[in-house]
Amino acid sequence: DQQVKQNSPSLSVQEGRISILNCDYTNSMFDYFLWYKKYPAEGPTFLISISSIKDKNEDGRFTVFLNKSAKHLSLHIVPSQPGDSAVYFCAASVGFMSNYQLIWGAGTKLIIKP
Amino acid sequence: DAGVIQSPRHEVTEMGQEVTLRCKPISGHDYLFWYRQTMMRGLELLIYFNNNVPIDDSGMPEDRFSAKMPNASFSTLKIQPSEPRDSAVYFCASKRTNNQPQHFGDGTRLSIL
Repeated sequence: DQQVKQNSPSLSVQEGRISILNCDYTNSMFDYFLWYKKYPAEGPTFLISISSIKDKNEDGRFTVFLNKSAKHLSLHIVPSQPGDSAVYFCAASVGFMSNYQLIWGAGTKLIIKP
Repeated sequence: DAGVIQSPRHEVTEMGQEVTLRCKPISGHDYLFWYRQTMMRGLELLIYFNNNVPIDDSGMPEDRFSAKMPNASFSTLKIQPSEPRDSAVYFCASKRTNNQPQHFGDGTRLSIL
């Protein structure tokens, strides 16, 4: 039973345009969400997070939106750059202060076209 | 600041052999995690430690898998005997406090022939 789902295995976006990566979850107890980026042959790197008390968190070109009623979050990258080509993982946990038990999505491969 | 260091980066061995994966967490981090990534199951948490003590090993697949953390700067994940289905990328991660993100090493790609 996948509690965190990333339904798009891959996404192709033109350089300079907006990339939108989506993530759905089923466990209403999740209250802390993270996005990680992963390049080939490297470990995942933390990108941005959001707690359930917010519906938006922004960090430079990256914005995460949380819709609790829909159990949906999305990561927006504006503008997309070639270096953004990577696999993006969504992860969730119960307990904002206890994010050691992370439940991970399967990842979405983002390809930025020049 | 050095990141999480894992060794070896690649390991190829024959089934039945003992495999030992190593991890050096970031200094000052008091949580350490071992993950396994496969195409079929994605990223799975195997076990995690807090202050060198194993807290949850419910993700360890079988008794063939064991993990230790003898001190704050070193952990091992051992598979004995190894089987072809253990082939995967194994990641180690560490974190400082409860509200901090996990930092990952670059993984060990394990192939059991």
